[in-house]
This record gives sequence, C-alpha cells and structure tokens, in this order.
Amino acid sequence: QSVLTQPPSVSAAPGQQVSISCSGSSSNIGKNYVSWYQQLPGTAPKIFIYHNDRRPSGVPDRFSGSRSGTSATLAITGVQAGDEADYYCGAWDNSLSAWVFGGGTKLTVL
Amino acid sequence: QVQLVESGGGQVEPGGSLRLSCSASGFTFSDYYFNWVRQAPGKGLEWLSCISTSGMTVYYADSVEGRLTVARDNDHDSLSLEMNNLRAEDTAVYYCARKSRLGLGELSHFDYWGQGILVTVSS
Repeated sequence: QSVLTQPPSVSAAPGQQVSISCSGSSSNIGKNYVSWYQQLPGTAPKIFIYHNDRRPSGVPDRFSGSRSGTSATLAITGVQAGDEADYYCGAWDNSLSAWVFGGGTKLTVL
Repeated sequence: QVQLVESGGGQVEPGGSLRLSCSASGFTFSDYYFNWVRQAPGKGLEWLSCISTSGMTVYYADSVEGRLTVARDNDHDSLSLEMNNLRAEDTAVYYCARKSRLGLGELSHFDYWGQGILVTVSS
C-alpha cells in the first residue's frame, strides 16, 4: 500500500489529453515539493517534473505538473505513442522521515 | 556527463547477505545526497535509503531498517548498500539515484539514476 495514491492505469488516443493524479497528505504533498518520473519499459526512471511544476531541459512542454493542497497532477497534452510508460509521483514525507512514491500509473496510448 | 553505475548484484540464498556498490563520475560526488531505490519484478518503485553529503545522516525505510546499511566514500566517489537476512521479497532491481541540488537535501528530487542492478534471492 503506497503512501501516495495514483490510478493504476490511464489511456488516451494519440493527440488527446490525459491526466494522472497523485493523492497524499499534509505531511508529504501538502508540505513538500512533488516530482514525477517516467519509466519506459526495461529502463531506469527519469525525472520529468520537479518542484511541482518545473520541467527539466529536454522534457517536452506537452508535459505539465500542478499541485493543489495534498494532491498533485501530471497532465500530458497531445499524447504520442512514445509517451507510453509508467509514471510515478514522489515527495518527502516529514512524518515518516522518508521519501514516498505513488504506486505508479501505466499510460497506454490507444 | 553524469554517470552512476551499480555493481555487485546476482543471486543470493535466503538468509544471506548482499553488498552493492554505486560508482559515480562526471560531477563532484561529495556535493550531493544519494539514495537507494528498488523495484521488484512487475512492481512499483520502493525507496530504501537516503544519505547526506558527509554520510553522517542516513535515513532508512521502515521496511528494511535493521537489515540495511548504507555508506559512502567521498574519496573514491562511491556509495554502498549492505543488506542482511535476505528474503525472497528482496528480489528486485536496485537503483542508486542522485538528489538534485535544486532542492533541500533529503527533500529534493532525484535528478539522475543508475541503470540498476538485479538481485535475486533464491536457493
């Protein structure tokens, strides 16, 4: 059971928009920055969003992040076949003194 | 360029121990916090530990505390993980990951990951 809650899967047709939610609490998302990681099959995770809504260089601007209260969202516009991957949210939890991840969301491009 | 390379994986018998290493290059190792994260086959990411720049502060996940020891050698740009009393559920790919300096220590996000190394606990 993950401390951060994500939907197990989402799907979208090419060109459509999709959102992935990440629900936490006042000790993690409510207090600290959220980051998002993309993991393509058979590869290591890669940072995609940090500080709730910042994109590292090289990440397309089709990807955006937001945070409201104790929840965060990763939005992808103009979904492409190459976006098919697992996406994880993460944040530091002050109560646990531990980093916590969501369970991951598999994005399927129809 | 930043490189993190894990080594030391393989098959270990239940009840045994493992020692993994992470060798870093392409940046000033002693300036960064580091973490270990693992991923069981077909499962999600599980954070294990975070170590400060000096190595004086180490955080552990409750799920492995008491069995896990993480250390760093700033003179040799390397990180280590030792785990004992291994169980089948410790079978996973183990990643070392660097914490970004854009954030505050342990609170910061992971900006670089190693390629991961597989540990299989089986007789």
